[in-house]
Amino acid sequence: NAGVTQTPKFQVLKTGQSMTLQCAQDMNHEYMSWYRQDPGMGLRLIHYSVGAGITDQGEVPNGYNVSRSTTEDFPLRLLSAAPSQTSVYFCASSWTGGYADTQYFGPGTRLTVL
Amino acid sequence: GIQVEQSPPDLILQEGANSTLRCNFSDSVNNLQWFHQNPWGQLINLFYIPSGTKQNGRLSATTVATERYSLLYISSSQTTDSGVYFCAVNRKGAQKLVFGQGTRLTINP
Repeated sequence: NAGVTQTPKFQVLKTGQSMTLQCAQDMNHEYMSWYRQDPGMGLRLIHYSVGAGITDQGEVPNGYNVSRSTTEDFPLRLLSAAPSQTSVYFCASSWTGGYADTQYFGPGTRLTVL
Repeated sequence: GIQVEQSPPDLILQEGANSTLRCNFSDSVNNLQWFHQNPWGQLINLFYIPSGTKQNGRLSATTVATERYSLLYISSSQTTDSGVYFCAVNRKGAQKLVFGQGTRLTINP
């Protein structure tokens, strides 16, 4: 199993540009989520999904959109990038809603917005 | 929302030393996990431990849910143990992991 994969690994955007961060998992997990990690801080939840077709907001959802059309994929869209969105983004998956089992994390995407 | 506090924020030790990292949380939880973020940024799950004690090699963890804290023990530290250790919890009834700020551990040879 590849586990949780994320693409790209690095990305530089200009303010106002849009892009999609890709996340895929091959473990048939129902629960997937996106976090951002800023320097010296822990991870903060952006959006999560408990299954295909179901998404919900986390702690810091503004400026981000998600959709879940399949069990395997959970893309994160930045509609109009801002310098405040410069961060490292992690995707994670688990069997349940993170309340009863282990979360598995992807390798991260380092995003810089100029 | 639930608050998660980790201590100490930084810890510098010599190789071979033992260490204890602490995680306090402000509400009842049904999930607590410890992660290690290595110097390359990868997050590795160490323990899923909402209560009780678990051991894995030189690492062990104990969660006392009734007193709202968890401890991570690292014995005979190695340089490869360096990195940031995060505690993350899920409040009962929620579906969101909340992370602490982490403890940065540096093991010097």
